Amino acid sequence: AQRVTQPEKLLSVFKGAPVELKCNYSYSGSPELFWYVQYSRQRLQLLLRHISRESIKGFTADLNKGETSFHLKKPFAQEEDSAMYYCACLRAGGTSYGKLTFGQGTILTVHP
Amino acid sequence: DSGVTQTPKHLITATGQRVTLRCSPRSGDLSVYWYQQSLDQGLQFLIQYYNGEERAKGNILERFSAQQFPDLHSELNLSSLELGDSALYFCASSVGRGQETQYFGPGTRLLVL
Repeated sequence: AQRVTQPEKLLSVFKGAPVELKCNYSYSGSPELFWYVQYSRQRLQLLLRHISRESIKGFTADLNKGETSFHLKKPFAQEEDSAMYYCACLRAGGTSYGKLTFGQGTILTVHP
Repeated sequence: DSGVTQTPKHLITATGQRVTLRCSPRSGDLSVYWYQQSLDQGLQFLIQYYNGEERAKGNILERFSAQQFPDLHSELNLSSLELGDSALYFCASSVGRGQETQYFGPGTRLLVL
């Protein structure tokens, strides 16, 4: 079964500091990995999808198949980055199931 | 707003009751997904419909059922409600059968008293 682990429930950094939100996945096939962000009282929004290799709001994430990780990074955190971040895994190929498996989420707080 | 919409925003009901949550997907999207977000379980996939047919099923209780109508909107029916069903219920949609990015609605917050 797919499993996504985000080991940190809470992460606090100061503005301008680098930030890394950890995500590890467990899946035997070739998964697709996502990062979603949920700002206070708003809907989940897609932040990154690994196949698109885009950098959104300064965030990047590299898929490391050897370590089964998809950590989210930003070199200089901003106060507006404070939010809940979810890592999610989608089974790819085969019968094209659309089930996204989410991690438990990490609440990022960026202090001024 | 051509994004995913959900109604109602909030719902307060009593144990044993039945409620219906409604979701309208983004224009052009054929798949609708339902997720439950609770403090203890996190975000859990419930069910997916694609163009009116059930496509994938997750940890959905037998007391819960869903359907997708010809106009592609979807309803999630929750019956014999229990206190533990209190949660935020999200709907998401995507353009195809399930390998695309899913776009989420604002959610319906259900409180069972």
